[in-house]
Amino acid sequence: GAVVSQHPSWVICKSGTSVKIECRSLDFQATTMFWYRQFPKQSLMLMATSNEGSKATYEQGVEKDKFLINHASLTLSTLTVTSAHPEDSSFYICSARVVGGAFFGQGTRLTVV
Amino acid sequence: QQQVKQSPQSLIVQKGGISIINCAYENTAFDYFPWYQQFPGKGPALLIAIRPDVSEKKEGRFTISFNKSAKQFSLHIMDSQPGDSATYFCAASTRETSGSRLTFGEGTQLTVNP
Repeated sequence: GAVVSQHPSWVICKSGTSVKIECRSLDFQATTMFWYRQFPKQSLMLMATSNEGSKATYEQGVEKDKFLINHASLTLSTLTVTSAHPEDSSFYICSARVVGGAFFGQGTRLTVV
Repeated sequence: QQQVKQSPQSLIVQKGGISIINCAYENTAFDYFPWYQQFPGKGPALLIAIRPDVSEKKEGRFTISFNKSAKQFSLHIMDSQPGDSATYFCAASTRETSGSRLTFGEGTQLTVNP
């Protein structure tokens, strides 16, 4: 299947700082990428849809100014958690779809202390 | 509104047994139904997927059964192994294209005892 690489796999940051998470499609071009947030023992919650060359579409209740998404190329989308607070601690996962399925990155465990 | 309902929430099976996870959907426009396997601390991995023009698809020990009239589909894991212990998610989408979002079920925590 298609490979989606997400980096870093885990990060610890201080409250008030910003953290950037990268999501790359390694062997295909992704015009659209999806960003999810997952709490322990829960399903994936779609945060936003990232479109190459245009503004991301955010789900209801997701603060666009806190979760900045950039999709500047067909192989890279980034999620920046700005002014992070402990309640932003979570597992963040990106995904891209091709014909044949949707493929996910390895996920990023964010811990804000 | 939750459009894909998954059950059971958790499942314990003995090694060699059959694990069965069920999902039901509401949106009749859904036409792509994948199952994902997720291990702790990892992203979901695509296991197997089906389209509504077939009633069953088998890949190795994994089988999807699909009932279009009942709007239900299920995952069967034959000869379950301890290594199958993971969380399983069903999902659905309206189009199998790059811009089509997936709607996920709530997940099933599967434990296979040795």
